[in-house]
Parts: sequence; C-alpha cells; structure tokens
Amino acid sequence: KQEVTQIPAALSVPEGENLVLNCSFTDSAIYNLQWFRQDPGKGLTSLLLIQSSQREQTSGRLNASLDKSSGRSTLYIAASQPGDSATYLCAVTQGGKLIFGQGTELSVKP
Amino acid sequence: DTGVSQNPRHKITKRGQNVTFRCDPISEHNRLYWYRQTLGQGPEFLTYFQNEAQLEKSRLLSDRFSAERPKGSFSTLEIQRTEQGDSAMYLCASSQTGNTEAFFGQGTRLTVV
Repeated sequence: KQEVTQIPAALSVPEGENLVLNCSFTDSAIYNLQWFRQDPGKGLTSLLLIQSSQREQTSGRLNASLDKSSGRSTLYIAASQPGDSATYLCAVTQGGKLIFGQGTELSVKP
Repeated sequence: DTGVSQNPRHKITKRGQNVTFRCDPISEHNRLYWYRQTLGQGPEFLTYFQNEAQLEKSRLLSDRFSAERPKGSFSTLEIQRTEQGDSAMYLCASSQTGNTEAFFGQGTRLTVV
C-alpha cells in the first residue's frame, strides 16, 4: 500500500529565506507526482506536476525534483514571501488516483 | 473555462439528515475524483469516475455514501443519515485520462450538528 509522508509538518521562516519541503513515498511505481498549495478553508491549487520520467520542474520561484528510485521529492521555494504562507501538499498518482501526504504548513514571517 | 466548481460551499445539517453535493468539472476532463479532508490531514480518496463509469470506491466509504456522474458531466455525492463524523471538507477534482494534472474545486465544507 502506497504511503506518502511529508516532513516537517510545520515550518516557520523569515521572509527572504530559501527553503525546502520534503515528500517521500513507499512505492516507486507512480505515474507522476504533483505539488499543491492550500490556503486555510480553501481548495487545492496545483503548483507543479512532475511525470515519472522527469527529474524536475520549475515555475517561477518554485522548483520541484523527483527521485523515483529513492521515493523522494523536494519542493524548493526561493526568496520566500509572506504570501507563500499556506499548507503545501504532495500527491503521487497510482492506480488512477492521487494519494496525498499530510502536508507541510509553512509560515513566512515579515 | 472557470475551473472545477463545487456547490454549495458550506452546508450545515442536523444529524440524521441527507445531504447532496454537486461538482462541475473542467469541461474537457473525463476523470472526476471525490476526496474528503479533515482538519490537519491530507485529502483522503473516496471515489473516482472515468466518464460516467465509477471505477473505484474507497473501502473506507460506508454504504451511506453514494456518488453518481450521469452522462459523464457533473457529479453528485450524497450522504445519507449524516453523522457527526461526516463533518469535513469534501473536495472534487478533475483531470484528463493519463498522466495529467489534476485540478481541484474550492470544496464543500460540511458541518453535522
């Protein structure tokens, strides 16, 4: 059974800092991995999608990497801003559906 | 395209009542998913459709839950005889078949009192 874990559960950083969020999964037979952002009480906003054959994807200040063999992905956020404060979720696609981690709650202090 | 739309956004109901939620996916997407999320947890898979066919239903889903997607367009999720433990955010997502990006709606927040 696929299990997705995100560490840390919560993170607080000062504005301007670069940071890395971690995601690990137990079964490497995935189709893709997707990173989402969730603001309190809201739905999920897709940030980046990495296909299983890819190693990384970039969008603006965000860079996501995927190492399928080791079952790990990282989301790198450069020059963090208070507006980046949210919960970040990773999900792997397997068996036609997305399987989520529990998320990392990020707080960026001005 | 306005993205995935869910209605209502909030629902408060008394224990024992039935509730129904609606999801309108992105028009060209043939896959539609339902998830449930409680505070501090990641979304939990409930069920998904490809066109009008329900391909998988979570074993965690009791018989009180039913979902439909008539004609492969919008979908409804019904909860019968609601319980306090059903209180959660219910999320809908859609995607195209294959290794494509999934897009989520804003969710329906259910509170059972």
